[in-house]
Order: sequence, then structure tokens, then C-alpha cells
Amino acid sequence: DIVMTQTPLSSPVTLGQPASFSCRSSQGLVHSDGNTYLSWLHQRPGQPPRLLIYKISNRFSGVPDRFSGSGAGTDFTLKISRVEAEDVGVYYCMQAAQFPYIFGQGTKVEIK
Amino acid sequence: EVQLVQSGAEVKKPGESLKISCKGSGYDFTNYWIGWMRQMPGKGLEWMGIIYPGDSDTRNSPSFQGQVTISADKSISTAYLQWSSLKASDTAMYYCARRARLGDLSLRAFDVWGQGTMVTVSS
Repeated sequence: DIVMTQTPLSSPVTLGQPASFSCRSSQGLVHSDGNTYLSWLHQRPGQPPRLLIYKISNRFSGVPDRFSGSGAGTDFTLKISRVEAEDVGVYYCMQAAQFPYIFGQGTKVEIK
Repeated sequence: EVQLVQSGAEVKKPGESLKISCKGSGYDFTNYWIGWMRQMPGKGLEWMGIIYPGDSDTRNSPSFQGQVTISADKSISTAYLQWSSLKASDTAMYYCARRARLGDLSLRAFDVWGQGTMVTVSS
């Protein structure tokens, strides 16, 4: 199975400042159809996760443009241009290039 | 409104069986894959498996193979996750989620999530 490794596991961030989180896969995530199926989700405490980014860099409907995704191959990054209070919680990457789908262990974001 | 509504919290004893549900509405349930995820207390998300309600094609994670059964009844737009013999280690929140599509293209990401079903297994 593919292993997804997120760093850092915990990230204290400052309101109004940028933040970035890393996700690395143990093998490439390019599907046979040519697409790279790496997504990012955000989970606030006590809530189900919500989709932020799909296929590396595509923002899902309704997601603020302060969120952006980038990367290729085995290295991927989620960036927040200016952190807001509602951005606290845990961020997960997920690979869906092959079964079984695998989540990273998550990066917990707290406000300093 | 597109939504997935899961069945309520359960408290069971070890060895008991259980079937929880996930009902879709507001979209064509038959043509979207439904995934199941586990989240143990204080832990991260784990992908358990996925089912296509149109033909019940199912893919299971090796980590959960033989431990749970995923099924669906397209006539009532409902997917299920079931156990034949629960263990204390099955105590967790379980989420269903829809795999997103854009027209005929699968996005292979989960765009609509149920509210979660908390399963507690304790003697």
C-alpha cells in the first residue's frame, strides 16, 4: 500500500499570516488515466471532514481562495495565504490513485 | 440539497452484530461511489472501503477485509456498513462520504460527508 506522510503533525499559526503543510507519498500518485488523485480535507473539532482541494490544486466549490494546493510526483503542499480563526482543526491529504485509498495522519493547526 | 444522513449512535456489547446506514438524497445515488471511513477516538481518518450502488461493485481496504461488510440498496438510496461480531476496538466514529464527480469524470475525492455514526462497544 501507498504510505502518506504529513508534516508537521502540529502547526501553531498566527492569524493573518501564511501557513503551509506538506504531504509526501511513498510512490507516485499518477493514475493510468493521467490524473494525479491527491486531495486535501479539513476537519474542525466535532465535525465531519470537508473537501478543500482535489487533483492536487483544484479548489472545491465554496472553498475560499486563500487555500491553494500544489505539487507533483510524490511531494504535495497545501497553503493558506492568510490564516483565519475558522481554519483551526486538522488537515488531511488523501491519495486515490489506487486502492486502498490512504489518508495522511493529519496536521493539527492551532492559533498561537 | 445533496446530503448523506447516517443512522444514530449505537452502544453494543462485544460479540454483537451491527448494521449502520447512510442514506443519500438530492442526487442520483445510483451513480456515485460511497466510501466508508473510520475515525477512532482522538485519531485520524482511515479508509475502509467503497461501493458503487448501481451494481454493488465493492473495494475493501485489506486492513478491514473480513472485519466488516459494505453493501447498498439502490432502491432506497442507502449504503450500509455491518459487523457480525463487534470488538471493543471497533469503538469509533464512522463516516460515509460520496466520491465526487464532474459530469462523467470522477474526481476521486470525497465531496459530501455524512454526519457520522458513533459506535461504542463495551461490556
